Amino acid sequence: EAGVAQSPRYKIIEKRQSVAFWCNPISGHATLYWYQQILGQGPKLLIQFQNNGVVDDSQLPKDRFSAERLKGVDSTLKIQPAKLEDSAVYLCASSLRGATDTQYFGPGTRLTVL
Amino acid sequence: GDSVTQMEGPVTLSEEAFLTINCTYTATGYPSLFWYVQYPGEGLQLLLKATKADDKGSNKGFEATYRKETTSFHLEKGSVQVSDSAVYFCALSPANFGNEKLTFGTGTRLTIIP
Repeated sequence: EAGVAQSPRYKIIEKRQSVAFWCNPISGHATLYWYQQILGQGPKLLIQFQNNGVVDDSQLPKDRFSAERLKGVDSTLKIQPAKLEDSAVYLCASSLRGATDTQYFGPGTRLTVL
Repeated sequence: GDSVTQMEGPVTLSEEAFLTINCTYTATGYPSLFWYVQYPGEGLQLLLKATKADDKGSNKGFEATYRKETTSFHLEKGSVQVSDSAVYFCALSPANFGNEKLTFGTGTRLTIIP
């Protein structure tokens, strides 16, 4: 069974530029999560989708971050414009239904904002 | 709000030593508790979990017991190996259905010396 796929693996941009990350969850998984992991910290949930609807985006900085999950499968997370403090690893995870099911994580995208 | 406090690292042990990584939590009700592991160059993966008080999760020789009275979920292994070198994250998901996001601790880096 294929795992959660993410691309790109690494991205370096300058502040005020835009960037987008892509995630393909495990086939059949209804729930998709985006986490931000700053160096030395645990992952922090940014947004949770159930199929193509948003369940929780309370910690998403909506002035600069946006995410969508069209057709309830792939998802894209965008940052526009990026700030220095956005430098982090962005993790995508999926689960069959919700967080009481095991969440499977992708390898992450390491973003560096200069 | 919910929070997880982990033993600070890094932790360095010799092969075959006994391991304990402390984890305590703050949450209402009876959250589900998890240990995730991140091996070098890989994504987060679930190590073990417990969903109710006094449950013991176990996997790959690791164990953790859900202690409601001390709000703890300490990770233990009787004899560690070099291959156990990784970063370990304690996490919880809330008890109330419909609010399922994972809250992570800051992680503990474990290095095992041959």
